[in-house]
Amino acid sequence: AQSVTQPDARVTVSEGASLQLRCKYSYSATPYLFWYVQYPRQGLQLLLKYYSGDPVVQGVNSFEAEFSKSNSSFHLQKASVHWSDSAVYFCAASLLPGTGGYKVVFGSGTRLLVSP
Amino acid sequence: GGIITQTPKFLIGQEGQKLTLKCQQNFNHDTMYWYRQDSGKGLRLIYYSITENDLQKGDLSEGYDASREKKSSFSLTVTSAQKNEMAVFLCASSRDRVAEQFFGPGTRLTVL
Repeated sequence: AQSVTQPDARVTVSEGASLQLRCKYSYSATPYLFWYVQYPRQGLQLLLKYYSGDPVVQGVNSFEAEFSKSNSSFHLQKASVHWSDSAVYFCAASLLPGTGGYKVVFGSGTRLLVSP
Repeated sequence: GGIITQTPKFLIGQEGQKLTLKCQQNFNHDTMYWYRQDSGKGLRLIYYSITENDLQKGDLSEGYDASREKKSSFSLTVTSAQKNEMAVFLCASSRDRVAEQFFGPGTRLTVL
């Protein structure tokens, strides 16, 4: 079955430290991949997306993600986090119709806390 | 750019009551979605619609109805509100079924 797994429910990092949030997908073909962020009492906002091509994609607010076909992963990274990055981060995947699925599937989310 | 508006922001109802949540988008997107987000949890798809008057059930459609009478609007009805479905309901839209989604701020449902 198609699935997106975010193995870390909570991550705490110090301000200024680097960050990696993990995401693994299970699909029969390479899906489209997304990272969204949700700040308190708000909807989700797109950080970045991967459709094809360069496996390293740049997003908003200095976030980037690296797609790995061999590892079925799409990890989110940031070189230096700020306290305002504290939020919940969701990884998501979708497939073109006719390739085994159409539905967007969201991971369960990782809550990031940036400590001063 | 565009925006997704959800009304009301807060909805309080009695157990067993029929309640309606509304969503409007001005992106001119074909596809719209309703998700339920329980406190501290991920998103679960209730309904989606790929065009005007189209409705597709998600994983959590039981107990809900939806309506897409115009391209720009998508309504969700809780047919008989229960205390265990107190949550935030998020509306989203996208160009098509696999493109990135744009989300509204949510409607927080409380059932008394």
